[in-house]
Amino acid sequence: DAKTTQPTSMDCAEGRAANLPCNHSTISGNEYVYWYRQIHSQGPQYIIHGLKNNETNEMASLIITEDRKSSTLILPHATLRDTAVYYCIVRVDYGGATNKLIFGTGTLLAVQP
Amino acid sequence: GAVVSQHPSRVICKSGTSVKIECRSLDFQATTMFWYRQFPKQSLMLMATSNEGSKATYEQGVEKDKFLINHASLTLSTLTVTSAHPEDSSFYICSASRPTDNSPLHFGNGTRLTVT
Repeated sequence: DAKTTQPTSMDCAEGRAANLPCNHSTISGNEYVYWYRQIHSQGPQYIIHGLKNNETNEMASLIITEDRKSSTLILPHATLRDTAVYYCIVRVDYGGATNKLIFGTGTLLAVQP
Repeated sequence: GAVVSQHPSRVICKSGTSVKIECRSLDFQATTMFWYRQFPKQSLMLMATSNEGSKATYEQGVEKDKFLINHASLTLSTLTVTSAHPEDSSFYICSASRPTDNSPLHFGNGTRLTVT
């Protein structure tokens, strides 16, 4: 079973920051938070992941609360091409990443022109 | 660029026939790959874990004799849908990761299977 809770859908204006929340109140100490997105009829695309520190890459920022029970994915300047379903997933990372990913229902982000 | 390649992207087959889908890891070796299935407007559902050189591990409710998985090399896993029926029509997606610490899973672009 998925261990995360996300809103079903969100809207965001083009050019504005998109903040996607995720609750993972039962996360274990060795579980990472991963974010993926899926554009219609494509495979999921990796965005970012983190353990407890905030992370940033060229795509997004990941803010994890101090108690690690929730996180927020931030797309700083959303474009129409960011319209997709965003999945927040928790997973133990043993290195070599042999652990499977269990997907929840995700958040459908609709970027409006 | 893509690190996992999946082929074909679309396939239409007749009921009762078998269809093979290939998943390749590009420029890295993957001892483990994963196969997912996704029905319209639903999330991805993990079907099985493909293990190089050994039998695949299937999730509960997935018929191993219907969905044959072969992982004969470190860069190739295949999923064969045997005796396909219209209810097998779905989007099939594979994934793999580089064998390094904290390496995320990367996904292929999926195969749209339509059984007529």
